[in-house]
Formats: sequence, C-alpha cells, structure tokens
Amino acid sequence: GIQVEQSPPDLILQEGANSTLRCNFSDSVNNLQWFHQNPWGQLINLFYIPSGTKQNGRLSATTVATERYSLLYISSSQTTDSGVYFCAVSNAGNNRKLIWGLGTSLAVNP
Amino acid sequence: NAGVTQTPKFQVLKTGQSMTLQCAQDMNHEYMSWYRQDPGMGLRLIHYSVGAGITDQGEVPNGYNVSRSTTEDFPLRLLSAAPSQTSVYFCASSLDPGGGFRQYFGPGTRLTVT
Repeated sequence: GIQVEQSPPDLILQEGANSTLRCNFSDSVNNLQWFHQNPWGQLINLFYIPSGTKQNGRLSATTVATERYSLLYISSSQTTDSGVYFCAVSNAGNNRKLIWGLGTSLAVNP
Repeated sequence: NAGVTQTPKFQVLKTGQSMTLQCAQDMNHEYMSWYRQDPGMGLRLIHYSVGAGITDQGEVPNGYNVSRSTTEDFPLRLLSAAPSQTSVYFCASSLDPGGGFRQYFGPGTRLTVT
C-alpha cells in the first residue's frame, strides 16, 4: 500500500517564524489532505489538495503530484499553531481509505 | 449543530469485556468512519461506512464490529477487549472525503484495557 512520510518529525519555532512541513508519498494519489491536531487532541481538516496550491490565511499548501510530495507552509507562526500536523492520502483504488503519516509535532514558543 | 459527538470520553475495560463506542452526527453526512490513534502515530482506519446499511473494513478491522442502521449513528463494538486495543478512538464524518469534502472529527474516546 501507499507509504506516507512526513518531515521533520519535530519542530520548535519562535512566534513569528515561518516553517515548511513536508509530506512524501510512495504512489500516485487522487486525494491528499492536511490536518491539524491541537494539544487537546481535536482534529481539524486544513486542506484538501491532491494537486496545485491553496491558501487559507497564514497557511498554504502545495502538492506536486508528479513528484509525489506536498508542502504545508506556516507563516508568521503563533502559539495557537502548536500541535501535530498530519498528511493523509488515498489513491484511485479507494479514495475513501485515507492512509496517514506519523505527523510533524510543532511547538511555537512565545 | 452539535457536529460529531462521541461517548464515552474515557473508558477502562478489563480484558475480555465487550463494549460499544457511540458516534453520532447531525450534519446528514453519508460517510462515517472510525480511527484509532496510538502514541506517536497517525490515525489508522478501522471501519467506514458510505451510507446506512453499507460498511467496509479499513486498515485495522480485526477485533471490531460496526453497523450503520441510520445516517446519524455509527457505533463501534469491541467484542472481547484486549490490551492491544488500548488507544484513542476517533469518529469522523463527511459528505465524501474522496470528493474533497471536509472531514469532521469527534472529540475522541480514550480507552484503556487492563
């Protein structure tokens, strides 16, 4: 099945810094989503982005499907950005079965 | 809207006991799913449903049963709990995650099996 690798596994930032999180996947996908899990465990969908670029406020994401990676950009980070960021993918075999990476744990210090 | 609700929030079971984790959504979503999350790991899909009366297995279905008799409810049953099922369980719903619709997650159920 598809393998999903995220990097870096851990990241510590000072408030106001920018960061880039990466998601590599081992096979072609037709569904790629980014999620944020806050320190209290709540999961929030950030982006559905099987290809191209999207932006939502200080967050943006780019997926280069032909090269099998996706990037999540966080600009001007805030302490509320802390938590774990997950990438999840599925392929045409069953686009409802999401396979998740292990996540990038982000801590933003004031 | 209450969104996706899960009960209980916490549960301790002894090995061999059975129990049902409840999940309900009030958004009229066809797609519902159950995940488990273990420390330092991403979520793994247990079972999912694309509508009332239709369920399918995910990545780690062994030891769990599901049914979907209504659009709103998707309970997860542990038939004979084992310590390996100690985990945090999340329920999610969506119009269609494969079509790019957002998934909404419940707050999770933290289960410990001793």
